[in-house]
Amino acid sequence: GQQVMQIPQYQHVQEGEDFTTYCNSSTTLSNIQWYKQRPGGHPVFLIQLVKSGEVKKQKRLTFQFGEAKKNSSLHITATQTTDVGTYFCAGQRGTSYGKLTFGQGTILTVHP
Amino acid sequence: NAGVTQTPKFQVLKTGQSMTLQCAQDMNHEYMSWYRQDPGMGLRLIHYSVGAGITDQGEVPNGYNVSRSTTEDFPLRLLSAAPSQTSVYFCASRLQGSNQPQHFGDGTRLSIL
Repeated sequence: GQQVMQIPQYQHVQEGEDFTTYCNSSTTLSNIQWYKQRPGGHPVFLIQLVKSGEVKKQKRLTFQFGEAKKNSSLHITATQTTDVGTYFCAGQRGTSYGKLTFGQGTILTVHP
Repeated sequence: NAGVTQTPKFQVLKTGQSMTLQCAQDMNHEYMSWYRQDPGMGLRLIHYSVGAGITDQGEVPNGYNVSRSTTEDFPLRLLSAAPSQTSVYFCASRLQGSNQPQHFGDGTRLSIL
């Protein structure tokens, strides 16, 4: 079945440093979504990428979708303590009847 | 709007007991799903439904049943609880069609002793 691998599992940074998490799928995706989960909370949708090579930005967050539509990344510039949480990617295939396959998530800790 | 509402928020069960986790949404979303979240394993799909009367299995369906008698409700039943089912359970809903974001409930933290 479809697998979505996400690395790293953990990332500790000092406030102001950059952060990147990577997502790789074993199959070509129709789209990829990114979610953020604050400690003790539920996943919250951040963004969706659909086109090959697509790049989207949300303030300090930059999302990329690979040319082959099998990998994606989330980059945060100059992290803040409000960025702490777990970041998940979730891939969808065109034939999967809308099912999302989540990566394992990257837990981000930001030290002030 | 309340969004996606899950009850209870916390539950402790003994091995062998049964229970139902409730999930309701008021956004008229056709697609609903149940996930379990375990450390280091992300969110794994248990069951999903594309509309009232239609359900299907996800990645880890064993030990769980679902039904979808209305658009709003999608309960998850544990038939005979096992310690391996200790987890955080999330219900999610979204509009039908591809490229739609999922809206998650606050989760149910379930411990099986």
